[in-house]
Amino acid sequence: EPEVTQTPSHQVTQMGQEVILRCVPISNHLYFYWYRQILGQKVEFLVSFYNNEISEKSEIFDDQFSVERPDGSNFTLKIRSTKLEDSAMYFCASSEERDGAKNIQYFGAGTRLSVL
Amino acid sequence: AQKITQTQPGMFVQEKEAVTLDCTYDTSDQSYGLFWYKQPSSGEMIFLIYQGSYDEQNATEGRYSLNFQKARKSANLVISASQLGDSAMYFCAMRDTNDYKLSFGAGTTVTVRA
Repeated sequence: EPEVTQTPSHQVTQMGQEVILRCVPISNHLYFYWYRQILGQKVEFLVSFYNNEISEKSEIFDDQFSVERPDGSNFTLKIRSTKLEDSAMYFCASSEERDGAKNIQYFGAGTRLSVL
Repeated sequence: AQKITQTQPGMFVQEKEAVTLDCTYDTSDQSYGLFWYKQPSSGEMIFLIYQGSYDEQNATEGRYSLNFQKARKSANLVISASQLGDSAMYFCAMRDTNDYKLSFGAGTTVTVRA
């Protein structure tokens, strides 16, 4: 069964360092998303990406964050200068469509980011 | 404003029994989607079931069913014949028709007892 793949599963970084979280969405999906979940809290939307551009972003997704689809398979989230409060589980998701029966967002297993 | 409300932080259920997880939502849109996800202790988010606002039938997927009451704006998840592997956090989520994002509730932890 196709699945969303995220690497690494756990990333430890020093405050102020740049990190890149990687995702391989399901191959025939066109819509890509990043969410985060701070420990013990609800899942929060960061950004959605369609047709090589950001389609929606939250107020969390400030200038420190960027997304890219560098090739036909990968989708990345970059945090330029990490802060302690960026420590969270980051989920990538993808969906075949935005609306209709195929709008289900399938999530990867997540990358746990620990900022020290 | 809180779009998704899950009022049960934690629930216990006996193995083989059914459990209902509550979810209410708030939207002014006529077209929207409702979703349930399972998050085991390992952390991944697993899609369980989807209900479109215009779907006339309540959604079912194996042991999962969604009790959709549009007038009450509720979308409760029913897990029948609970198994030990059902112990996890369960999140209700909604997507309005003009949005790309899912809005999640705070989640309900289910513990299945043998």
